[in-house]
Amino acid sequence: DTAVSQTPKYLVTQMGNDKSIKCEQNLGHDTMYWYKQDSKKFLKIMFSYNNKELIINETVPNRFSPKSPDKAHLNLHINSLELGDSAVYFCASSLGLAGVSSTDTQYFGPGTRLTVL
Amino acid sequence: QKEVEQDPGPLSVPEGAIVSLNCTYSNSAFQYFMWYRQYSRKGPELLMYTYSSGNKEDGRFTAQVDKSSKYISLFIRDSQPSDSATYLCAMSGTSGTYKYIFGTGTRLKVLA
Repeated sequence: DTAVSQTPKYLVTQMGNDKSIKCEQNLGHDTMYWYKQDSKKFLKIMFSYNNKELIINETVPNRFSPKSPDKAHLNLHINSLELGDSAVYFCASSLGLAGVSSTDTQYFGPGTRLTVL
Repeated sequence: QKEVEQDPGPLSVPEGAIVSLNCTYSNSAFQYFMWYRQYSRKGPELLMYTYSSGNKEDGRFTAQVDKSSKYISLFIRDSQPSDSATYLCAMSGTSGTYKYIFGTGTRLKVLA
């Protein structure tokens, strides 16, 4: 019954490694997002996809590459991990595009806690 | 100046108190206003969703939007220890941006 799921839940890795986080939603939504939440709880949008098309690409280093194989999945690949990448990464989904109508209500996954050593 | 300002707290109140959480914003184009609750080590969950100005009530929770003052509030009546969490406000609706802007969150602790 999980609406938005993410794997893995925890990720501990060394600087310089490459890692991926996967996200799946079973809500039938068209739009998916990746957010980064820092230690002060600030939640910042990184990317969004609508019907597999990239809509938002915030000022994120190009070491971060999202991939949406279909509407229900949005994965995040990170190359050459750095200490500053340590954070909690949240996936979210909504029926419509954020800010366009009331169908933009976003539902969040449980988060992936990334620690870079 | 950040687009959305929110007092980080922590805010400690006794059980049964009325809690008032607030956000101010600078962009008058915002039309949709949300409150999310986030428990420790969990994802944010939507509490309230309001379009434009006015009040919305759901059980012990009331959301208020005052667009003229660029100010939104969340009131929690008869607060319970289970309400202890971080509360995040979020806004959207600026043309063509297609994203939520979140406040930094207010940490609330309700003491039994």
